[in-house]
Amino acid sequence: GNSVTQMEGPVTLSEEAFLTINCTYTATGYPSLFWYVQYPGEGLQLLLKATKADDKGSNKGFEATYRKETTSFHLEKGSVQVSDSAVYFCALSLDSSYKLIFGSGTRLLVRP
Amino acid sequence: DTAVSQTPKYLVTQMGNDKSIKCEQNLGHDTMYWYKQDSKKFLKIMFSYNNKELIINETVPNRFSPKSPDKAHLNLHINSLELGDSAVYFCASSQDLVADTDTQYFGPGTRLTVL
Repeated sequence: GNSVTQMEGPVTLSEEAFLTINCTYTATGYPSLFWYVQYPGEGLQLLLKATKADDKGSNKGFEATYRKETTSFHLEKGSVQVSDSAVYFCALSLDSSYKLIFGSGTRLLVRP
Repeated sequence: DTAVSQTPKYLVTQMGNDKSIKCEQNLGHDTMYWYKQDSKKFLKIMFSYNNKELIINETVPNRFSPKSPDKAHLNLHINSLELGDSAVYFCASSQDLVADTDTQYFGPGTRLTVL
């Protein structure tokens, strides 16, 4: 079936450290891939997305590249801030599908 | 100018009760969704509605009955609540049905606790 696997959290980093959150997927067909972020007490917000292989999504200093050969969409940021502390969800959807399939979420905690 | 709003934010109730969660979006979107997030943070779709018509029902027990009085509202009614229903329920909306091109906007969530 179609699924998304994320690295277990929490991930704890110091401010200005480099961030990687791993995400791999299993899908029949060619999915679009997404990263959503959930700040404390809030709903999910779209962070970035990529709709085809080799596309790079980017927003607010975060980047992720759609790697078809490794079925991955890892999230990276060069220098994290305390305000980046949140739960990050990787997700996929398939062509003309009506739903998102989410990973289990990875909590990021950035310390000053 | 909240885009997707849900009420209540917290709901604590006894097993066997019936409860409702309301969702409203002011984005003019045609499609609305309900997601359930369990204690391990797994987020799974329950229902989606497009122009007030049910599109997705992901094998949710029939104790859960969504109701869409108009395109801007999608309420979730739950009968005979069980302990396993305890979760955070998120409402979302998007302009159209196609998940790979349409951004979904989420509400802040309703934390339901069944005692």
